[in-house]
Amino acid sequence: GQNIDQPTEMTATEGAIVQINCTYQTSGFNGLFWYQQHAGEAPTFLSYNVLDGLEEKGRFSSFLSRSKGYSYLLLKELQMKDSASYLCAVMDSNYQLIWGAGTKLIIKP
Amino acid sequence: IAGITQAPTSQILAAGRRMTLRCTQDMRHNAMYWYRQDLGLGLRLIHYSNTAGTTGKGEVPDGYSVSRANTDDFPLTLASAVPSQTSVYFCASSVTGDTDTQYFGPGTRLTVL
Repeated sequence: GQNIDQPTEMTATEGAIVQINCTYQTSGFNGLFWYQQHAGEAPTFLSYNVLDGLEEKGRFSSFLSRSKGYSYLLLKELQMKDSASYLCAVMDSNYQLIWGAGTKLIIKP
Repeated sequence: IAGITQAPTSQILAAGRRMTLRCTQDMRHNAMYWYRQDLGLGLRLIHYSNTAGTTGKGEVPDGYSVSRANTDDFPLTLASAVPSQTSVYFCASSVTGDTDTQYFGPGTRLTVL
C-alpha cells in the first residue's frame, strides 16, 4: 500500500529552527509537495521537490532523498504566524497526490 | 472573483438527502479535484477531472458523483447522504493534471445527521 508518515505534533519556540520529517512509500514518484494549513483554512503551497537535495525559499527550505523515501521541511526564525499544520504529499505514478495526516506545529513565545 | 470559490461554506444535512457542493475557478486551469479531510487522516481524493468533459475516480469515490461540463465548474453531488460523509470538503485546481501545483478553495464543512 501507499503510506506517508509524519509526526502528529511538534512544539518549538519563537525565533528558533524546526525540522518536520516525512517518510513515504508510494507506487511511483513524481515529486513531493509541502503545504501549510492554518486551522479552519485551505492548504496553501509551500514547496515542490522532484530531485534530491535542498530547495531554499526564504525562511523555509525543503529537502528530498528519493533513495531513502525521505523529506524534511526546515523552518527558520520561527514566528507565531507559523503555527499551523504542515502537510506532506507525494505524487504517485498516476499523478495523484497521496497525503500525510499532517504535522501540527505549535510555536511558543 | 480570483482563484477558487466553494459554496456553501457549511451545511447541516439530514441523512438520505441529496446535496451538491459547488466549486468554481477563474484561473482557466484544466484540472480540478475534490478531496475530503477528516481528523487524523490525510486529504483523500474523491474524484478528479483532467479536462472539461472528462472525470475520474480517486481513492474514495463511493457515494459521490461529479460532472465537468465546462472549464470553470466542478460540482460534487452526494446522492443520498450518510453520516460517514460528515467531513470538510476541499476543491482544488491545477494548470494540468500532472505535476503542477494544486490550489485549494476555502472548503465546505458538511455535517450529516
